[in-house]
Amino acid sequence: GDSVTQMEGPVTLSEEAFLTINCTYTATGYPSLFWYVQYPGEGLQLLLKATKADDKGSNKGFEATYRKETTSFHLEKGSVQVSDSAVYFCPLTGGGNKLTFGTGTQLKVEL
Amino acid sequence: GAVVSQHPSWVICKSGTSVKIECRSLDFQATTMFWYRQFPKQSLMLMATSNEGSKATYEQGVEKDKFLINHASLTLSTLTVTSAHPEDSSFYICSATPQGAPRGYTFGSGTRLTVV
Repeated sequence: GDSVTQMEGPVTLSEEAFLTINCTYTATGYPSLFWYVQYPGEGLQLLLKATKADDKGSNKGFEATYRKETTSFHLEKGSVQVSDSAVYFCPLTGGGNKLTFGTGTQLKVEL
Repeated sequence: GAVVSQHPSWVICKSGTSVKIECRSLDFQATTMFWYRQFPKQSLMLMATSNEGSKATYEQGVEKDKFLINHASLTLSTLTVTSAHPEDSSFYICSATPQGAPRGYTFGSGTRLTVV
């Protein structure tokens, strides 16, 4: 079945550091890929998405490129802020309309 | 656009009582909504798919009689935790997607349930 693997957290960075959160997937066919962010005590907010190979999703300084050859969708940001501290998820949808989640990666940004 | 409202945001109830959580799509119609459960510091576990006008589809291992789902209209799905016990304490989140949207999912803000 479909699955998503995310790097274990927490990831701790200093403000203005470069961020990479790794995400790889296993799926049949051509899944759509997403990044969601969850702030403490809240639901999930869509950060960005990509629906086909080589698509790049971007939003609020975050970006991720759909790499079919490496089955990856790594999240990057050039300069993180304390306000970026949250849990990040990279689910996918395969042939159906269900989201398949990985474990999530907690990001902590310190001054 | 595409706002999902979830209510209540938190609830405390006594063991043995039932609790109802509402999930509403405010500005779109949703024939399908999803209910998730999230344990502390863990990922989201899909509990069931709520289908408007028909029975919900439950994931393996989820008790249908324990977690009652009703999707009576195109904008409202409810999850009722029946005879709640402390182990049901968790964060419950719903999601929905507008018809025709390119697989975009909007999530509610979640409900923190504490059973004492």
